Amino acid sequence: AQKITQTQPGMFVQEKEAVTLDCTYDTSDPSYGLFWYKQPSSGEMIFLIYQGSYDQQNATEGRYSLNFQKARKSANLVISASQLGDSAMYFCAMREGYFGNEKLTFGTGTRLTIIP
Amino acid sequence: NAGVTQTPKFQVLKTGQSMTLQCAQDMNHEYMSWYRQDPGMGLRLIHYSVGAGITDQGEVPNGYNVSRSTTEDFPLRLLSAAPSQTSVYFCASSANRRTGTEKLFFGSGTQLSVL
Repeated sequence: AQKITQTQPGMFVQEKEAVTLDCTYDTSDPSYGLFWYKQPSSGEMIFLIYQGSYDQQNATEGRYSLNFQKARKSANLVISASQLGDSAMYFCAMREGYFGNEKLTFGTGTRLTIIP
Repeated sequence: NAGVTQTPKFQVLKTGQSMTLQCAQDMNHEYMSWYRQDPGMGLRLIHYSVGAGITDQGEVPNGYNVSRSTTEDFPLRLLSAAPSQTSVYFCASSANRRTGTEKLFFGSGTQLSVL
C-alpha cells in the first residue's frame, strides 16, 4: 500500500483563489511527521511546512497552512490567495517513527498551475 | 551561505561506465541522504547517513554505493551505470536528528542520463 497518496496529478486554479492540495498517509506508528515541499520548474526542492503527529494545532507558515485530520489520516496543504509564482509541483512527504529518523517517503506530487 | 552543493548538474554516461555524484554541505548537518526522482514516482530514498562513518540503505539502493568519511561530504557512486538509473538525483541534509522536526535541505539536483 502507498504510504503517501496524492490523488490530484494536476490542478488549475485562478489567481488569488485559495487552493487545497490533498494528501493522505498510511502509518501504524504513533510518532510521525508530515512535510510539504514545492518544486518549481527550475527543479529545486523548497520546504513549505511541517506537522508533527503530536502537534495539537494545524501548522501555518505565511500563506501556507496544513489541514491536519489525524483520524482521517489526511494532511492537506492550503494555499491562500494564490499567486502566479505558486505554479509548481507540490510533494507531500512523511517521516515515520522516532524523532531523528529523517528518512522521508514522498508522494507522487501534484502539479499546480495558477491561471492569471 | 552555500548550503548543499551537488556536482555535476548534468551528466551523460554510457551503459557500464562508473561515476561519482558529489554532495557537500557546509551546515555541519549530521544527516545526509540521496534521493532519485523519476517521472510519476516522486522521490525515492537511495542511501542515507546519520553521521560520519555510518551509512544505510534506503528504498532503492541497488546499483549505488555511498560512504561518509567526513561530516561534510556524502558521495554517491554508480559502479556500472544502467539505463534504469537515468533520473534526477537529489542530495539532502538535515541538522538535528534528535527532534525529528528539522526539514531537509536539498541540493539543486543532478540530471543523469545513461545511454
